Amino acid sequence: DGGITQSPKYLFRKEGQNVTLSCEQNLNHDAMYWYRQDPGQGLRLIYYSQIVNDFQKGDIAEGYSVSREKKESFPLTVTSAQKNPTAFYLCASSPSTGYNEQFFGPGTRLTVL
Amino acid sequence: QQQVKQSPQSLIVQKGGISIINCAYENTAFDYFPWYQQFPGKGPALLIAIRPDVSEKKEGRFTISFNKSAKQFSLHIMDSQPGDSATYFCAASLRYNFNKFYFGSGTKLNVKP
Repeated sequence: DGGITQSPKYLFRKEGQNVTLSCEQNLNHDAMYWYRQDPGQGLRLIYYSQIVNDFQKGDIAEGYSVSREKKESFPLTVTSAQKNPTAFYLCASSPSTGYNEQFFGPGTRLTVL
Repeated sequence: QQQVKQSPQSLIVQKGGISIINCAYENTAFDYFPWYQQFPGKGPALLIAIRPDVSEKKEGRFTISFNKSAKQFSLHIMDSQPGDSATYFCAASLRYNFNKFYFGSGTKLNVKP
């Protein structure tokens, strides 16, 4: 089946630790995205990548880092510099051109204790 | 500053009624307006989308109405069903950067049986 997978579904970490969230897609999409979702605030863009080995900061990139070494993979690292990391994280992908929908993964709920 | 403003934050509708969710934007460069539906604990999924060259688009019980001069667009759900209970997000993307979506803050719809 084609789609986007995110793992794990739930993640618990102690304050001060870095944590990496996985995102893989087999849709052959060029573009990939990371969003953060908090109650009442909708989806806020953290980082996005339009092509391998290139990525741009979104609206709330501070405290996060990404890499795009393969077309299929776009992992997100939540660093200890992120002040409020507890949130629901969503990965998405889309074809790079035209008016295209973004396809979302099932999300990872990160809780920092 | 939020680029797309969505209202209401929550909505309760009786089964069979009409659900109406509104969005407004300021940036006239926006050129694609999708609506996403999200069930609890899941990633959002595209429901319906419109471009500003049409004033209305209908897919089954879901209709987008678009008012370019007022810079507003809305989602109408006819004959609302309990299975429609979810959070709905409007979004907009830029003409010259199709990859970047700006999301509204979301509307939590509860359809009572």
